[in-house]
Amino acid sequence: AQKITQTQPGMFVQEKEAVTLDCTYDTSDQSYGLFWYKQPSSGEMIFLIYQGSYDEQNATEGRYSLNFQKARKSANLVISASQLGDSAMYFCAMRERDSSASKIIFGSGTRLSIRP
Amino acid sequence: GAGVSQTPSNKVTEKGKYVELRCDPISGHTALYWYRQSLGQGPEFLIYFQGTGAADDSGLPNDRFFAVRPEGSVSTLKIQRTERGDSAVYLCASSVLGGGAYEQYFGPGTRLTVT
Repeated sequence: AQKITQTQPGMFVQEKEAVTLDCTYDTSDQSYGLFWYKQPSSGEMIFLIYQGSYDEQNATEGRYSLNFQKARKSANLVISASQLGDSAMYFCAMRERDSSASKIIFGSGTRLSIRP
Repeated sequence: GAGVSQTPSNKVTEKGKYVELRCDPISGHTALYWYRQSLGQGPEFLIYFQGTGAADDSGLPNDRFFAVRPEGSVSTLKIQRTERGDSAVYLCASSVLGGGAYEQYFGPGTRLTVT
């Protein structure tokens, strides 16, 4: 069965520093997709970045990058030059059978707090 | 364009009552998903529609929960004989019918409180 593990319940980081949020996953599928979503205190889920299991390059979107280590089954999110507005819950998620639309399984999340 | 909308935004009901939660997806999105998020947890999958049919309902916790999407657009999640443990934020998401980088777009959620 697929599973997402986020071992950091909360993190505090100084503004402008880089931060890495950990995520490991478990799946028996060869084709899967990995996602990171941000959930501010307002509650909406905001898509940040996607990595396909067959992608050879790590995904990047602006200040976000995904450190994909397939053999270790890890998909850590790196946020460069953190900003106060980055304070939020961050969820790692996975979709099996990535060739078509299907459910996403979420981890338990990491609460990131940025200190000024 | 308009995003995913959900109504009501808040619903308070008494234990044992019946509730309906509505989701209006992004126009043109064939896939629609329901998730439930308890306090301090990640969203938990409930059910997924392709068009009018439920493609995967493996996440529905029991037969008190039921969802429909009769015309392939708006969906309604129905909960019978509500229990206090049903209290959570119910999230709806929609996407195009495809995998890969096609992410799910989430609505603002309905906060259900069962007293």
